[in-house]
Amino acid sequence: DAGVIQSPRHEVTEMGQEVTLRCKPISGHNSLFWYRQTMMRGLELLIYFNNNVPIDDSGMPEDRFSAKMPNASFSTLKIQPSEPRDSAVYFCASSLVGRETQYFGPGTRLLVL
Amino acid sequence: SQQGEEDPQALSIQEGENATMNCSYKTSINNLQWYRQNSGRGLVHLILIRSNEREKHSGRLRVTLDTSKKSSSLLITASRAADTASYFCATGPPNSGGSNYKLTFGKGTLLTVNP
Repeated sequence: DAGVIQSPRHEVTEMGQEVTLRCKPISGHNSLFWYRQTMMRGLELLIYFNNNVPIDDSGMPEDRFSAKMPNASFSTLKIQPSEPRDSAVYFCASSLVGRETQYFGPGTRLLVL
Repeated sequence: SQQGEEDPQALSIQEGENATMNCSYKTSINNLQWYRQNSGRGLVHLILIRSNEREKHSGRLRVTLDTSKKSSSLLITASRAADTASYFCATGPPNSGGSNYKLTFGKGTLLTVNP
C-alpha cells in the first residue's frame, strides 16, 4: 500500500497567488481529513469528508480556503489568494468510516512570501 | 481550542531510560490515541485506548487512561535514539451513529533520546 500521497511536498509562492494542494487517500478509505500544522497553533483540523461529502468545515479559516473531493481517490485544498500567515505544513489523512485510526500523508510545506 | 494538552512540552533522556509523557483533556471522550511524528514527516498512529479501558500495551509502549482525572500517560520503556520524535495525544468525542468523527490533537511532547 502506497499510503496517503500528497503533492507537492514543498511549495513557495508569493502573496496573492493561488495555491492548490493535492491528496490521494489510501485506496478503500472513505474518510478524508485536511489539517494545518504551525508552531503557534499546533495541528488544526480544517475540514473532513465522508464518502466524498464535506461533513465539517468549521475549521476552515476563511473564505480564501476551499476544499473539494470530486471522487474517492482525490481531494484538493485551495487557497486563493494566499497570504504569508497561511505558511504552514498541510497534512491530509484518511481512514475507514467506523475506524478511529487516521493515516497521515507526508505533508505539504507551504511558504507564502 | 485544543482538547488534549501534553506535558512536558519537551523531554530529553539517555538511551535505555524510560520516557513518560502525559496528556490531559477537557470533555468526555470515546477514545484517546497517541501518534508519533518524526521531524519533517507525517503523524503515525501508535496506540488507541478506549474510554472503558485503563491500560494498554504494545511492544515497548504502555498507555494508561484515567477518565475520572481526564488524563492519559504514554510510557516508552528502554528508549532508543530512533524514538526521538514528537508525540501527540488525540481525543475522539463520544461516537455518534457509527460515523467517523474528528480527532482533536494536543501540541505534542518533543522527546529527544540521546545515544
